[in-house]
Parts: sequence; C-alpha cells; structure tokens
Amino acid sequence: EAGVVQSPRYKIIEKKQPVAFWCNPISGHNTLYWYRQNLGQGPELLIRYENEEAVDDSQLPKDRFSAERLKGVDSTLKIQPAELGDSAVYLCASSTRHLPAGPESPELYNEQFFGPGTRLTVL
Amino acid sequence: GENVEQHPSTLSVQEGDSAVIKCTYSDSASNYFPWYKQELGKRPQLIIDIRSNVGEKKDQRIAVTLNKTAKHFSLHITETQPEDSAVYFCAAPTGFQKLVFGTGTRLLVSP
Repeated sequence: EAGVVQSPRYKIIEKKQPVAFWCNPISGHNTLYWYRQNLGQGPELLIRYENEEAVDDSQLPKDRFSAERLKGVDSTLKIQPAELGDSAVYLCASSTRHLPAGPESPELYNEQFFGPGTRLTVL
Repeated sequence: GENVEQHPSTLSVQEGDSAVIKCTYSDSASNYFPWYKQELGKRPQLIIDIRSNVGEKKDQRIAVTLNKTAKHFSLHITETQPEDSAVYFCAAPTGFQKLVFGTGTRLLVSP
C-alpha cells in the first residue's frame, strides 16, 4: 500500500512570494490533515478535511493561508504571501474515520498516517 | 481545549537500558493516546497507542501505561538499541479527530 505522498519535498522562496504544497492521501482515507511542524516542536494542526469539506480550520491563518480538497482526494495548501516565520515543515496526514456505534458512544480515533513533509525555507 | 506536556525534552541512555517518557494531559474526556516516533528528516510514525478502557498496552520492547485519574501516560522502551534513537511525540485528542501533540523527546541511545 502506498503511503501519503507530498510534493515538493523542499522549497526555498523569498518572502512575499507565493508557495503551494500538494498532498495525495492513502487511498480510501476520507480524513485529511495539514500540520505545521516548527523546529524542535510537535506537529500543529492547520486544517482538517472530511472528504471535500473543511471541518476544522480554526488554526489556519486565513489572511495568507488557503487550502482546498476539491474532489475529496488530493489537497493543496497555499501561502500567499509567505513570511519569514512560515519556515517550517508542512506535514500532510490521512486517516479513516471510525464513526461511533451510537449517540452515547465516544468517537474512536484511528491512526493518522503522515507524509514525508515539505520543508519550507523563507528567505 | 487539550493541553499536553511532555518530559523530558532530551534523554540519553546506554544501549540495553530502559527509557521512559511521560506526558500529561488536561482534558479528562480524552480517550485515545498515541505515541509517534520521528527519525531525523523523516515522517512521524505511530509506534503504539492506548485507549482509555485499558491501563497498559505492550508491543515487544515498547509499552504504554495510562493513569486516567492523574491524567498522565508514559512510554516505556526496554532493552534500548541505537535504532531507537529518534524524537518521540505523545498526543491526546481535543474535539473530533483532532490531536494535540507534545513538544517531543529526543532519545539518544549510545552503543
């Protein structure tokens, strides 16, 4: 089974330039996540998709960041314009969704599979 | 929302020793606690997880324990090997399908 695919793996740009990252999740995974990982820190969620719907974008800086998952499969994350502080690794992850058995049952979490990430350097 | 704290930030052990990494969380409703291993320049990979209906789970040299009353969980690695050297992240859920990650522990296993 192919894993989560991301491209490019590395990107160096000057500040104020636009940049885009692409992610192809594992086939059949309807949940897709974009994370940002700063050096020496854990991943921080930017946005989560259930199929083509962005169900949690509360931590996405909407003034410069945008994302889309038009057909519920591949996704792109864009930054325009990039700032120095955007330098980080951008990780994409995907998972299946295990719906609760009933209204009183807790939702179960499934493993999130991460892609290799895109290391962005903004000069 | 959930707050996850992880300690220590770095851990150096000799090959064959045990290593323990601890995390605390704040949301008493949290019910799923994964541990990820990230080697230098590579993607995070799940190594073990535990759900709140059990107190301990073991997989060969790796084990995780959960204390729901104290709201902490720990990763235990026994008989450490140089290939265990990596950064380890704990996580806890907040809201639907949303994980909050700890700040990571850099484990160095010396031969």
